[in-house]
Amino acid sequence: EAQVTQNPRYLITVTGKKLTVTCSQNMNHEYMSWYRQDPGLGLRQIYYSMNVEVTDKGDVPEGYKVSRKEKRNFPLILESPSPNQTSLYFCASRRGGSGNTIYFGEGSWLTVV
Amino acid sequence: EDKVVQSPLSLVVHEGDTVTLNCSYEVTNFRSLLWYKQEKKAPTFLFMLTSSGIEKKSGRLSSILDKKELFSILNITATQTGDSAVYLCAVANSGGSNYKLTFGKGTLLTVNP
Repeated sequence: EAQVTQNPRYLITVTGKKLTVTCSQNMNHEYMSWYRQDPGLGLRQIYYSMNVEVTDKGDVPEGYKVSRKEKRNFPLILESPSPNQTSLYFCASRRGGSGNTIYFGEGSWLTVV
Repeated sequence: EDKVVQSPLSLVVHEGDTVTLNCSYEVTNFRSLLWYKQEKKAPTFLFMLTSSGIEKKSGRLSSILDKKELFSILNITATQTGDSAVYLCAVANSGGSNYKLTFGKGTLLTVNP
């Protein structure tokens, strides 16, 4: 079954404690990205990756890092989380080329206290 | 700055009603417009529209794009309680190397029995 898998799905953490949200896709997609969803602001892109070792900033990259060492994985790293990073995070992937739809993971609810 | 505006922000109807959701956009390097349904989890894909005037249909849902006036509508006929969800409109553009989705804030549809 084609899917994008995120972990953890739910996490409460404390300010400053480094955490990683993993994302894995089994569709051999070239393109992966991270979004955060906040009330009243909708979904906003954090980082994206066009392929292995190719990453770049989206609209709201501050406070986040990513890496793409393997095609299937695209972890999101919060080096020093702050309360304003409390949000619902979605990982997404799609095949390269135009006209291909984006598949979303189930979402990760992150609370920073 | 890319912008996607959805209206109305929320809508309450009775089962059997027909609803029309609106999405207008201002983006550079437009590639396609997508509609998603979100029910307390990841957005699920409904339609991708790339050409003006061609209606896409799936059961009771249909959508059309007007690239001259920069808007799209999503119609749902004979609504059911299972249609209750947030409907997201997103526009895909290709600024530089990024294939990015810019989302509207969504329309919350509530269908009462």
